[in-house]
Amino acid sequence: GENVEQHPSTLSVQEGDSAVIKCTYSDSASNYFPWYKQELGKRPQLIIDIRSNVGEKKDQRIAVTLNKTAKHFSLHITETQPEDSAVYFCAARRGLGKLQFGAGTQVVVTP
Amino acid sequence: DTGVSQNPRHKITKRGQNVTFRCDPISEHNRLYWYRQTLGQGPEFLTYFQNEAQLEKSRLLSDRFSAERPKGSFSTLEIQRTEQGDSAMYLCASSLGPTTSTDTQYFGPGTRLTVL
Repeated sequence: GENVEQHPSTLSVQEGDSAVIKCTYSDSASNYFPWYKQELGKRPQLIIDIRSNVGEKKDQRIAVTLNKTAKHFSLHITETQPEDSAVYFCAARRGLGKLQFGAGTQVVVTP
Repeated sequence: DTGVSQNPRHKITKRGQNVTFRCDPISEHNRLYWYRQTLGQGPEFLTYFQNEAQLEKSRLLSDRFSAERPKGSFSTLEIQRTEQGDSAMYLCASSLGPTTSTDTQYFGPGTRLTVL
């Protein structure tokens, strides 16, 4: 089955700097890669996603890149703000149905 | 609130007792998923439904766990003879279904289970 690894487990950045989180997946047939943000005590919320026929997608300060050959994808947050502090999860899916999640990255943005 | 809702939000039970959780998906969402999340980990897939049909169940799921979606709307997850290892956050998610290109999953707030 699919296995998703996520790094780093924690990331501390200064406000205004960029943050990058990387994930690798094992199933070459995976074709959908969402990123979720989970604040303490709250539900995971989708922040951006990408399909395998696209190499990069951007939404304001957030971007995701996908390298199908290497089977890895990354989340980039620019101009970080304190409200970006949360746990971020990457996930992968083959076809439609269940998501396989990474273990999460705790991002702390310090003023 | 038109999002996914779950009840109860918290459940404390003694080992060996049975518990049941409810999930109400977003209206008109055909697919409903159950995940389990323990501290410091990502959500782990348990099972999912397309309307009332249970399409997949995790091989890791003990036979003490059962889920239903009898009318294709809300779903229940029951855990029989609870064990301390069942303590976790149980998340429900819903999506429109296979007619959409991405079939985005929207999560509920979860039910936190504590087994004493």
